This record gives sequence, C-alpha cells and structure tokens, in this order.
Amino acid sequence: NAGVTQTPKFRVLKTGQSMTLLCAQDMNHEYMYWYRQDPGMGLRLIHYSVGEGTTAKGEVPDGYNVSRLKKQNFLLGLESAAPSQTSVYFCASSYWGTGGRNTEAFFGQGTRLTVV
Amino acid sequence: GDSVTQMEGPVTLSEEAFLTINCTYTATGYPSLFWYVQYPGEGLQLLLKATKADDKGSNKGFEATYRKETTSFHLEKGSVQVSDSAVYFCAPYNYGQNFVFGPGTRLSVLP
Repeated sequence: NAGVTQTPKFRVLKTGQSMTLLCAQDMNHEYMYWYRQDPGMGLRLIHYSVGEGTTAKGEVPDGYNVSRLKKQNFLLGLESAAPSQTSVYFCASSYWGTGGRNTEAFFGQGTRLTVV
Repeated sequence: GDSVTQMEGPVTLSEEAFLTINCTYTATGYPSLFWYVQYPGEGLQLLLKATKADDKGSNKGFEATYRKETTSFHLEKGSVQVSDSAVYFCAPYNYGQNFVFGPGTRLSVLP
C-alpha cells in the first residue's frame, strides 16, 4: 500500500516557467489537500478537494491552480513560477470516519521546489 | 476560522527528560484534535489523536488529553529519546472544515 505519492521530489525552476506537481493516493479517500511549508510558517493550505471534479481555495491560493479529474489524483499547477513560491509542498488525503467525521490525514513525502 | 497556538521552539532536552509541548486551539463546534510529527526530510505522520472531551490519545510513549474547558491538547512524554527529535504539529479538525496546522515545535534531544 503506497499511501500518498508525490511526483517529483525535487525541482528547480526559473522564474516564469510552469510546472505541475502530481499527487496520487491509493486509499480511495474523498478529501485531498495541497499545503506549502515555509520556515517558521507551519503548513498553509493552498487548495483542497472534497471529491472528484471539485476543488476549492485554501489560505494561500494565489499563483496556483489545481485539478481533480480522477478521485485518486490531485494536481497542483504553477503557471508562471516566482521566487516567492520556493517552498516544500505537501499533498495529503483524508477519509470520513465513523459518523461522518474525518479522522486522519495522510501525507506524501513532499516536493522541494526552488524558483531561481 | 479554526486556529492553533503552539509553544515556540526550539525545545532542547537531554535524553530521558520530561517533555511538554503546549497546544491551545480556537474552533467552532466540537473538533477532533491531532498531533502530527515530522522527522527530518519526511512528510507529516499521525502521532496521536482524540475525538471527544477527556479522551486521551497515546502512541510511542506520547500522550495528550482533550481538554474542552481549556481548549487545550498538550503533548507529553515521560522520557524522551534522541530518536524523538522532530517537529511536532498540533491540529484541530472540525467536521466540514480543513486540517489547520500551527507553526510546529521543533524538538532536539541530546544524548
């Protein structure tokens, strides 16, 4: 059971370039999330999805787009990368526990992105 | 929205010392409470959780009790090891909302 897999693990971009980060989960979870982690800032939610075909903005959505065409995949896109987007990006998925409550989030290993 | 306050780190302890990391939260409704741990170079993984008042979550010698009256979920361990060196995140989760993470508390345990 692979859990949550992020691709790629490392990437260096030049300012203005675009790229897509892929998150795949094999646990049949409904909810998926993209976070960024910066020193001293904890994890900040970029976008999330409550199910296939749906997405919503989180705390820091500007400069990012997402898509959830398949339940198991959640893609994060940077259309025109900026140095301020240098960060470690984490994908997570979660499930509805007994009584309809989410009871745990599972995280990928992270993608370290540097924009120069 | 929901928010969480954790004690600022870094926390540096000697092996076998007692650990407390404070966490208080602000949330509407009745959230579940979680502690996640992040080891160097890795993603977050669940350490323990509690879903209702007075519940005690425990794992790997760590414990935390859901205190609704003080909106707190402090993490404790009686005797830390070098292998416990990591960043610890407290996170309330409310039905229909998202996981809200604090800034994390970095723990360094010296041999």
